[in-house]
Amino acid sequence: KQEVTQIPAALSVPEGENLVLNCSFTDSAIYNLQWFRQDPGKGLTSLLLIQSSQREQTSGRLNASLDKSSGRSTLYIAASQPGDSATYLCAVSDNNDMRFGAGTRLTVKP
Amino acid sequence: GAVVSQHPSRVICKSGTSVKIECRSLDFQATTMFWYRQFPKQSLMLMATSNEGSKATYEQGVEKDKFLINHASLTLSTLTVTSAHPEDSSFYICSARDLGQAYEQYFGPGTRLTVT
Repeated sequence: KQEVTQIPAALSVPEGENLVLNCSFTDSAIYNLQWFRQDPGKGLTSLLLIQSSQREQTSGRLNASLDKSSGRSTLYIAASQPGDSATYLCAVSDNNDMRFGAGTRLTVKP
Repeated sequence: GAVVSQHPSRVICKSGTSVKIECRSLDFQATTMFWYRQFPKQSLMLMATSNEGSKATYEQGVEKDKFLINHASLTLSTLTVTSAHPEDSSFYICSARDLGQAYEQYFGPGTRLTVT
């Protein structure tokens, strides 16, 4: 059964810093990997989707990479802003379902 | 992009009553829908997977008689929490998968259930 782990569990940085969130998964037989953002008490906002055949995706200040063979993905956030404060969830999909990591709670201080 | 709606967004009910949550794919057909539960400060836990026209597949530890799932059409799945208790209070999120989009899942906005 797929297990998804996210490190760190929480991260606090000053505004303007570049940062990296990590995600690892145990079964490399995936269709895709997705990064989500969740604000307190709210639903999920999809940030980036990487298909299993891809190595990275970029959207604005966000860049996500995927190394399927080693079971790892990173989410890179450039020039962080206080509005980036949220919980970031990594999720992997196979032909059956999607499994989530526990998330990284990010706080960007002004 | 594909849109998934949930109704209601928030519900408060008394212990012992049943609550139905609807999940709809608005602009695509979803042969598979998923139901997740999220407790405060925890991640999403998959409860069950439902395929249109067949019985749902429940994750280990999820009571199928308590959480009734119906996926009667390609655009609608419902989750009914029967005889709700305070420990069922949680954030319930559904998602729908469009097989035409390389297994990408689209998530609803969630339903906050509070059982008093």
